[in-house]
Amino acid sequence: EVQLVQSGVEVKKPGESLKISCKGSGYSFTNYWIGWVRQMPGKGLEWMGSIYPIDSNTHYSPSFQGQATISADKSINTAYLQWSSLKASDTAMYYCARHPTGYPNWFDTWGQGTLVIVSS
Amino acid sequence: EIVLTQSPATLSLSPGERATLSCGASHSVTGGYLAWYQQKPGLAPRLLIYYGSTRATAIPDRFSGSGSGTDFTLTISRLEPEDFALYYCQHYDGPPSFGGGTKVEIK
Repeated sequence: EVQLVQSGVEVKKPGESLKISCKGSGYSFTNYWIGWVRQMPGKGLEWMGSIYPIDSNTHYSPSFQGQATISADKSINTAYLQWSSLKASDTAMYYCARHPTGYPNWFDTWGQGTLVIVSS
Repeated sequence: EIVLTQSPATLSLSPGERATLSCGASHSVTGGYLAWYQQKPGLAPRLLIYYGSTRATAIPDRFSGSGSGTDFTLTISRLEPEDFALYYCQHYDGPPSFGGGTKVEIK
């Protein structure tokens, strides 16, 4: 079974750093692009960027370029989303999702989401 | 950049009725590169349709997608209780983006 399992809830203060993870299983992780999608409380879905784990080639949405960093460790089938200095406005649910056949593409498998709360 | 606009924002219908959801694009989406997702409260989105009209694995045939260019439609032929949810369209004709969503609620 193809699965993406994300790390758990995070509660952080403004200015802190954070790295959340997304581990793939049940398929050849390195051969499929992984995307990150933000959903702020009560709002819609926003694509942040996508990475190809085999060579870490990454595409960012212009809205998120410079706001967060996407990376991957192909040796442990895991993609990451990280912030160096969180803001209250980063409070959201973050989903990782797999592009099934290259980039750009739709998302066929989603992680369960990681809730990030940034509050002083 | 292609901007997707979904309408209506909310659709109030009864079980058994037909639901028609629209997704309009600011520029033509070539190749029918459009997907639809369903999201229920507290859960991740689920893929319903890709290439505008191809149902994803295990999606019931009461869900159908159609359209091309700048106008796409998701139709649910007869609403089941489990179909009341949020629905999003997403294009992949370039950097992906999502529409704002349509909520299908029980009337």
